[in-house]
Amino acid sequence: DTAVSQTPKYLVTQMGNDKSIKCEQNLGHDTMYWYKQDSKKFLKIMFSYNNKELIINETVPNRFSPKSPDKAHLNLHINSLELGDSAVYFCASRRQGLFTEAFFGQGTRLTVV
Amino acid sequence: DQQVKQNSPSLSVQEGRISILNCDYTNSMFDYFLWYKKYPAEGPTFLISISSIKDKNEDGRFTVFLNKSAKHLSLHIVPSQPGDSAVYFCAAYNYGQNFVFGPGTRLSVLP
Repeated sequence: DTAVSQTPKYLVTQMGNDKSIKCEQNLGHDTMYWYKQDSKKFLKIMFSYNNKELIINETVPNRFSPKSPDKAHLNLHINSLELGDSAVYFCASRRQGLFTEAFFGQGTRLTVV
Repeated sequence: DQQVKQNSPSLSVQEGRISILNCDYTNSMFDYFLWYKKYPAEGPTFLISISSIKDKNEDGRFTVFLNKSAKHLSLHIVPSQPGDSAVYFCAAYNYGQNFVFGPGTRLSVLP
């Protein structure tokens, strides 16, 4: 049983398109995250959601918007895709608490052409 | 501004020997530290963690050491196995904030 699952695993699309990446977790966690792994392999936080409320929003373009229909899902919508958006995007979830780890999905490799 | 640094991009170790991966951080507010392992085309998987109230945590072949005064932690793997070959990310956390990751160290364990 996959704990954190993302779809699709690979996404190739043209500049200017709008796309979504879905994420679901079956761990009952309260907090979900989106991370971006850039070309230099750094994992950088984009968003986090706690109980359906956005609590952290790093300085990402407003073309990126997280949508959480319920506690188990955090989808990432990207409008007007640009070449620089090409990266691997990881969804993660975490149980609330002082010292708890995050569980990651398998990643979505987005290629904008 | 890199708050979490892993200064060795890669490390090669002979099977059976010890692997030591290092991590330095700059933010003294971090109170929880984690190591993640990542295989190609997969997401990072949690390996081991340590809170700031401890200086050592051990789990089987994996031991994490924390030196708060030096703002340094290390992951020891002994004995190293070929299946340990992966990229290892160090991460730090400050309660109420988010995880900050280092750039990773690629470990190759040679048979």
